[in-house]
Amino acid sequence: EAGVAQSPRYKIIEKRQSVAFWCNPISGHATLYWYQQILGQGPKLLIQFQNNGVVDDSQLPKDRFSAERLKGVDSTLKIQPAKLEDSAVYLCASSQMRLANNEQFFGPGTRLTVL
Amino acid sequence: GENVEQHPSTLSVQEGDSAVIKCTYSDSASNYFPWYKQELGKGSQLIIDIRSNVGEKKDQRIAVTLNKTAKHFSLHITETQPEDSAVYFCAAGGVDSNYQLIWGAGTKLIIKP
Repeated sequence: EAGVAQSPRYKIIEKRQSVAFWCNPISGHATLYWYQQILGQGPKLLIQFQNNGVVDDSQLPKDRFSAERLKGVDSTLKIQPAKLEDSAVYLCASSQMRLANNEQFFGPGTRLTVL
Repeated sequence: GENVEQHPSTLSVQEGDSAVIKCTYSDSASNYFPWYKQELGKGSQLIIDIRSNVGEKKDQRIAVTLNKTAKHFSLHITETQPEDSAVYFCAAGGVDSNYQLIWGAGTKLIIKP
């Protein structure tokens, strides 16, 4: 089966600019996650969707970050305006969220550099 | 909330030797503990997981042990091979948190030929 797709793979912007990342999860996966992974750290959950509804966005800096999952399939994460500390890899993952199978499938990530 | 600590941050072992990575967690409600392998340019992949109703699970050269009392779990890789070189992440979660995972900081495993 096709994996989780993300684009772009790399992005370099200047601070105060805007940027958007796209994710297409595995077909049929109801749950979609966006993570921020800073160099040398583990992934930090930004937002979790179940179909097109938000399950948890408590760690999303809502003054500058936004995310949507229209139609419950692919998703977009936006940063506006970007800060230097937003430099990180942004990971998208999806899962079926069944009790017996919680495996998350990860995309390759988007590496963001803010100058 | 849950906190997961992972050690060591870097581990270098001779090919053929064993590697052990350890994680501790803080929330006794956590009952699901996966390990993921992250290779350069690829999405992280689940390599093994364990639930709190068992103490050990093995899959060929990979095993995970769980000590619920001490709140720690470990990844064991035997007969290491060059393709085992990667960054390994542990995580903890559970049904109470919608299976959201709290992740360790990762261990870079280097297999020396």
